[in-house]
Amino acid sequence: QSALTQPASVSGSPGQSITISCTGTSSDVGSYNLVSWYQQHPGKAPKLMIYEGSKRPSGVSNRFSGSKSGNTASLTISGLQAEDEADYYCCSYAGRVFGGGTKLTVL
Amino acid sequence: QLQLQESGPGLVKPSETLSLTCTVSGGSISSSSYYWGWIRQPPGKGLEWIGSIYYSGSTYYNPSLKSRVTISVDTSKNQFSLKLSSVTAADTAVYYCASLAVAGTWDYWGQGTLVTVSS
Repeated sequence: QSALTQPASVSGSPGQSITISCTGTSSDVGSYNLVSWYQQHPGKAPKLMIYEGSKRPSGVSNRFSGSKSGNTASLTISGLQAEDEADYYCCSYAGRVFGGGTKLTVL
Repeated sequence: QLQLQESGPGLVKPSETLSLTCTVSGGSISSSSYYWGWIRQPPGKGLEWIGSIYYSGSTYYNPSLKSRVTISVDTSKNQFSLKLSSVTAADTAVYYCASLAVAGTWDYWGQGTLVTVSS
């Protein structure tokens, strides 16, 4: 099972919206709506932001949303804030395959 | 709310075996709602799944590490453990333990522990 493909970096200004893509295959992302997304600040453990494709855990801002089309899942962050600057990882295939990670810079 | 804490040596010599333990609190490791797993992150790099275990002892390993990995569970201590044999410098990483919900979601994570492989 190969790693999922994410852009290495994305950036946006405060208040804007950005989308991070996560491309897999019909065997992982495309099979079930079970993609999860994690936020990781430097030196910290990853934090669950989206699960089962589009669900938010309690306490996660509704500025974070997830979706999927075919073999590509997406994480959208609206109303960008400085504290959103972090690395973001997608995960699929029953938690066994991660994306390479995307560094989000808030300009 | 579950809490997980990794423990073990921070320095391992090349060719030796890396051993880590994860202690679970705030819930039972025998819960039917969870698998338990290990994920690692080399310095400056991304996340890599190492393997997962159910309280019954059923295990799933990353094919790329399978020949060197053993994950076990001790329900009496509410702990699970990782052993990675024949380590090299490429195994230097922060090792995280985490809970894996049935839907394939890593919902609770330990703080991570840096293991350096060096003589």
